[in-house]
Amino acid sequence: GQQLNQSPQSMFIQEGEDVSMNCTSSSIFNTWLWYKQDPGEGPVLLIALYKAGELTSNGRLTAQFGITRKDSFLNISASIPSDVGIYFCAGHSNTGNQFYFGTGTSLTVIP
Amino acid sequence: GAVVSQHPSWVICKSGTSVKIECRSLDFQATTMFWYRQFPKQSLMLMATSNEGSKATYEQGVEKDKFLINHASLTLSTLTVTSAHPEDSSFYICSASTGGSFGYTFGSGTRLTVV
Repeated sequence: GQQLNQSPQSMFIQEGEDVSMNCTSSSIFNTWLWYKQDPGEGPVLLIALYKAGELTSNGRLTAQFGITRKDSFLNISASIPSDVGIYFCAGHSNTGNQFYFGTGTSLTVIP
Repeated sequence: GAVVSQHPSWVICKSGTSVKIECRSLDFQATTMFWYRQFPKQSLMLMATSNEGSKATYEQGVEKDKFLINHASLTLSTLTVTSAHPEDSSFYICSASTGGSFGYTFGSGTRLTVV
């Protein structure tokens, strides 16, 4: 299946720093979502974006749906130790009703 | 709301046997469910899209005769790994679409180990 290109692959940051990660695709998606996954668990939805250009916040998290509908970014402000985990973007296409994940960004926050 | 329950959470089976994994939407009806496989330190790879009352749509490279999917009701989809082999050992995760603003909710995953 298709996989979205996500970068960076991993990040090591100091507590309190801001984080930015992005996701690109060769295909257009109707919905972009961002998830966080802890080891041995299923992904947990952080933010869902439904319209091109949409900018949405959830606490310290902000995500945007790219105008071209082929990309999205996620920002985390003032990182804290519990932000540690793997973050995945995901795109859903109404055509074919398919739902694909990015390659993931592993985030480590150093206290 | 929008809770997806996946069972079992882990299973160990002998090579050659079959294993069934259940995915249930507890408080909503899911016309569509997705099945993923995730190898260690890798992303989720879509295996198939399961639609209630119809045949599942498999991704290229996924053997439909080996990974049998049944979505017989609006709250239950099952994935059966037939004649499992050690290379089938993986983390299998389902997700369900609420069709609303909840996005796509995931189950907690099933760790399959084939020995």
